[in-house]
Amino acid sequence: GAGVSQSPSNKVTEKGKDVELRCDPISGHTALYWYRQSLGQGLEFLIYFQGNSAPDKSGLPSDRFSAERTGGSVSTLTIQRTQQEDSAVYLCASSLASGGAMNIQYFGAGTRLSVL
Amino acid sequence: KQEVTQIPAALSVPEGENLVLNCSFTDSAIYNLQWFRQDPGKGLTSLLLIQSSQREQTSGRLNASLDKSSGRSTLYIAASQPGDSATYLCAVNGNQFYFGTGTSLTVIP
Repeated sequence: GAGVSQSPSNKVTEKGKDVELRCDPISGHTALYWYRQSLGQGLEFLIYFQGNSAPDKSGLPSDRFSAERTGGSVSTLTIQRTQQEDSAVYLCASSLASGGAMNIQYFGAGTRLSVL
Repeated sequence: KQEVTQIPAALSVPEGENLVLNCSFTDSAIYNLQWFRQDPGKGLTSLLLIQSSQREQTSGRLNASLDKSSGRSTLYIAASQPGDSATYLCAVNGNQFYFGTGTSLTVIP
């Protein structure tokens, strides 16, 4: 596709339910990032994948959060037993490479998650 | 840990005015710095990327500068237009990306 695609664009769920958020990166981009943007807050790094390397999970806020990237392309961010404080916009970005001087990130439109 | 600060948090200017947005960061060991704009309900759009070895980058009415040693970057917008109204974010790229909280810009027609 022409850009980073995220689905769904909006998700409303009940507290305690699990949710899955999907990200389709730009074709050929080896690096994929997940961020969270809470109301009035800056972007919070969650996790990134680079090729076949083990992902950097250092930003995940709790063990209820996990992500995987199948075949080096599509990624799914899963939040288990959602809490109201998980409500935020979840943004995905991809780049040709990670780190280093050529890392230009391209962002999707995000998934707005509301936990009732 | 890298901390990125953007000042002011919000700015309102009349159309046609030139303006400067500020970004400061605490750790100068970065590869590059990137400025983004975010429109309500939308993702981020990359505006300018400055490599750590560069002092500035220009694109149309936008000019971004970088002083790595002092941990500062500015985004200069010339002849502002109502369509420039958005939130502007800076992000520094070290071992990972760190974002500022943004400056919300309103250009009044």
